[in-house]
Amino acid sequence: GAGVSQSPRYKVAKRGQDVALRCDPISGHVSLFWYQQALGQGPEFLTYFQNEAQLDKSGLPSDRFFAERPEGSVSTLKIQRTQQEDSAVYLCASSFGRRTGGITGANVLTFGAGSRLTVL
Amino acid sequence: DAKTTQPPSMDCAEGRAANLPCNHSTISGNEYVYWYRQIHSQGPQYIIHGLKNNETNEMASLIITEDRKSSTLILPHATLRDTAVYYCIVRVRPNFGNEKLTFGTGTRLTIIP
Repeated sequence: GAGVSQSPRYKVAKRGQDVALRCDPISGHVSLFWYQQALGQGPEFLTYFQNEAQLDKSGLPSDRFFAERPEGSVSTLKIQRTQQEDSAVYLCASSFGRRTGGITGANVLTFGAGSRLTVL
Repeated sequence: DAKTTQPPSMDCAEGRAANLPCNHSTISGNEYVYWYRQIHSQGPQYIIHGLKNNETNEMASLIITEDRKSSTLILPHATLRDTAVYYCIVRVRPNFGNEKLTFGTGTRLTIIP
């Protein structure tokens, strides 16, 4: 597609429920990132995929957070037993992720509009 | 990655040039300066990046001081649509792969009609 698509745009969950957030990256983009953005703060890194391989999950705040990208395209961020502190906007980004021969800006991140999660 | 310091907020009159400063006094020789912006209810959007030379594209200009300890993003003719939070990020630019970015709290730029 033309951009990074995320769904749902808004999700309200009761505390303790599981949620799944979907990201459709730009077609052909190798790298995919998830970020969490609390109100009034900058985005914070959660995890990174290169194709289907999860190469960096150092930002996941707890073992209740799980991300996958089984076929190297669409990715899902799952949060189990949601807590109020999980309320945030979850942003997905993708990038070309390959050697570009110096093409300017070819490996910059393109972000989706985000999924706003509210846990009651 | 080097830490950056930006003013929390700025105003600029519509039609004037908006100059957004960023301090990165601990920047290393192989670290680039990136600028992204985030308009309300949208994800961050790439603007421009540079190493040591000044850069210009269709969105903005980036001026990096000779000692590379600070930079300025210039929006030459600000419009109301430029109202956003602007993030200055310093990081090593890999040839490919993990383009992980560390965002701070940025500068909230408000364009005044």
